[in-house]
Amino acid sequence: KAGVTQTPRYLIKTRGQQVTLSCSPISGHRSVSWYQQTPGQGLQFLFEYFSETQRNKGNFPGRFSGRQFSNSRSEMNVSTLELGDSALYLCASSPLTSGMDIQYFGAGTRLSVL
Amino acid sequence: SQKIEQNSEALNIQEGKTATLTCNYTNYSPAYLQWYRQDPGRGPVFLLLIRENEKEKRKERLKVTFDTTLKQSLFHITASQPADSATYLCALVGSGTYKYIFGTGTRLKVLA
Repeated sequence: KAGVTQTPRYLIKTRGQQVTLSCSPISGHRSVSWYQQTPGQGLQFLFEYFSETQRNKGNFPGRFSGRQFSNSRSEMNVSTLELGDSALYLCASSPLTSGMDIQYFGAGTRLSVL
Repeated sequence: SQKIEQNSEALNIQEGKTATLTCNYTNYSPAYLQWYRQDPGRGPVFLLLIRENEKEKRKERLKVTFDTTLKQSLFHITASQPADSATYLCALVGSGTYKYIFGTGTRLKVLA
C-alpha cells in the first residue's frame, strides 16, 4: 500500500501570499489530520477531517483552513502568509474512527515564508 | 490549558545502555498515550500505544509505562543502538476525541 503523500515537498512564498498544500491519505483511511511543526512549538494540531467533515480544530487563526474531498484527499490553505507560518506541515491519516488509531504521517511540506 | 512536557534537551547515551525518555502532562486525562519516532526530514512513525488502564507495554527492545496518578509516561529503549538515534514524541488522545496532543519531542543520540 502506498503511504501518505504530501505535495509539494518544499515551498517558498512571500508575506501576504496564500498557499495550498495537498495530502493523499493511505487508501481506505477516512480520517486526515494536519499539523504544524516548528522547532520551538513542536507538533501542533491544526484540524482533523473525517468523511469530508471537520471533526476537530486546533487553536489556529482563521487564516488556516482545510477541506476534505469525497476520495478522502485533503487540502489545507493558509491565506495572508506571515513570517511565523514558516514550518513543516504534516498530514496524517488514520484507518478507523477510534482514538486508539495510529496516525500514519506523510513526509511533510516545508514552507518558507520570506 | 493542556500541556505535555518532554525532555527538551538532547539525550546522549552510550551504545548498549538503556535510554529512558519522559513524557509528563498536566490538565488532561488521556485515554491513550502513543509514542512516535521521527527522523530528520521525515514524518513521525508510530511505535507503541498504551491505554489508561495499562501500566506497561513492551515491544521487542521498547517498553512504555503509564502512570495516570503521576501523569507521566516513561519510554525505554534497552540495548540501544546508533540506529535508535532520532527524536521521540509522545502523544495523548482523550476518550471520545480524535485530537492528538503531541509533546515537543526528545532528541536521542546513541554513541557508538
